[in-house]
Amino acid sequence: EPEVTQTPSHQVTQMGQEVILRCVPISNHLYFYWYRQILGQKVEFLVSFYNNEISEKSEIFDDQFSVERPDGSNFTLKIRSTKLEDSAMYFCASSEVGTNEQFFGPGTRLTVL
Amino acid sequence: DAKTTQPTSMDCAEGRAANLPCNHSTISGNEYVYWYRQIHSQGPQYIIHGLKNNETNEMASLIITEDRKSSTLILPHATLRDTAVYYCIVRGSHIRDDKIIFGKGTRLHILP
Repeated sequence: EPEVTQTPSHQVTQMGQEVILRCVPISNHLYFYWYRQILGQKVEFLVSFYNNEISEKSEIFDDQFSVERPDGSNFTLKIRSTKLEDSAMYFCASSEVGTNEQFFGPGTRLTVL
Repeated sequence: DAKTTQPTSMDCAEGRAANLPCNHSTISGNEYVYWYRQIHSQGPQYIIHGLKNNETNEMASLIITEDRKSSTLILPHATLRDTAVYYCIVRGSHIRDDKIIFGKGTRLHILP
């Protein structure tokens, strides 16, 4: 069964450093998303992406965040200058045209020291 | 904010049916009810969704009341692997790239 994959599974970085989280959505899906979950809290929407542009973004998704689909298979989330409060699980999701069922990846645990 | 109300936690014996309630009294006519679950440290997993008719798939059944103000997710024969947080979500569109707004969900413990 096709699945969303994410790398790395765990990323440790120093405050102020840039990180790039990578996702490979399901191959025939055209809608892509990033969510995050701070430890012990709710899963929060960050951004949705379709046709090579952002469809919607939340208040969390400020100028420090960016997304990109650099090729036909990868979807990335970049945090330019990480803060302690960026420590969280980051989940990528994708869905196909005609359905609103989102498939989630296993997540990347980001730890900012 | 989430438009649904769910109990914080529930227990169910292994092999029994787990019935998870959800209130969504402010749901509007074009909004669907979706259920996702999140097993510890994993990404959320889609379970089922419906508009007004009851739905069943290989994972669960969804019972929606006639006034659509509440629903129940039924796991017919719960196993230990069904221990997870279950999210009831009301979403505005069936075909667009609508974001998911997660609430706190119900933490379901399956007891051996």
